[in-house]
Amino acid sequence: EAGVAQSPRYKIIEKRQSVAFWCNPISGHATLYWYQQILGQGPKLLIQFQNNGVVDDSQLPKDRFSAERLKGVDSTLKIQPAKLEDSAVYLCASSTDTSYEQYFGPGTRLTVT
Amino acid sequence: DQQVKQNSPSLSVQEGRISILNCDYTNSMFDYFLWYKKYPAEGPTFLISISSIKDKNEDGRFTVFLNKSAKHLSLHIVPSQPGDSAVYFCAASTIQGAQKLVFGQGTRLTINP
Repeated sequence: EAGVAQSPRYKIIEKRQSVAFWCNPISGHATLYWYQQILGQGPKLLIQFQNNGVVDDSQLPKDRFSAERLKGVDSTLKIQPAKLEDSAVYLCASSTDTSYEQYFGPGTRLTVT
Repeated sequence: DQQVKQNSPSLSVQEGRISILNCDYTNSMFDYFLWYKKYPAEGPTFLISISSIKDKNEDGRFTVFLNKSAKHLSLHIVPSQPGDSAVYFCAASTIQGAQKLVFGQGTRLTINP
């Protein structure tokens, strides 16, 4: 079974530029999550999708971050414009709609200079 | 507001001995707890979980203990092996939280030969 795929793996941008991350969840997983993990901290949920609907985006900085889940499968997370404090690893995870166990992708390490 | 806390940033254990990782939580509504393991440049992988209706769950060398009155859980690894060296995250969820996970800061475990 293929795992959660993410791209790119690494990205370096200057502040005020925009960036987008892509995630392909495990086939058949209805729920998709985007997390931000700052160095030395645990993952923090940014947004949760159930199929193509948003379940929770309470911690998403909506003035600069946006996310969508196309046709209930792939998802993209965008930051525009980026700030220095956005430097982090962005993790995508997926799960079935009845399980607490989430399966994570390898993450995208973003550096904002 | 740190609802899930791992107060030990790092732990060093000799190979073959027991590793004990601790986690405290403040939200009494949490009813499901998970441990994840993370290697460098990889996403977290699910290790073991426990429901609040239990006080112990065992899977091979890994055992999780839950003390609801103290709002404390621990992960025991016996015997510890070099491949167990990783960062371990504790996570908690509520039924009402729609599978949303709240993570601790992580503990870096190093197994010494």
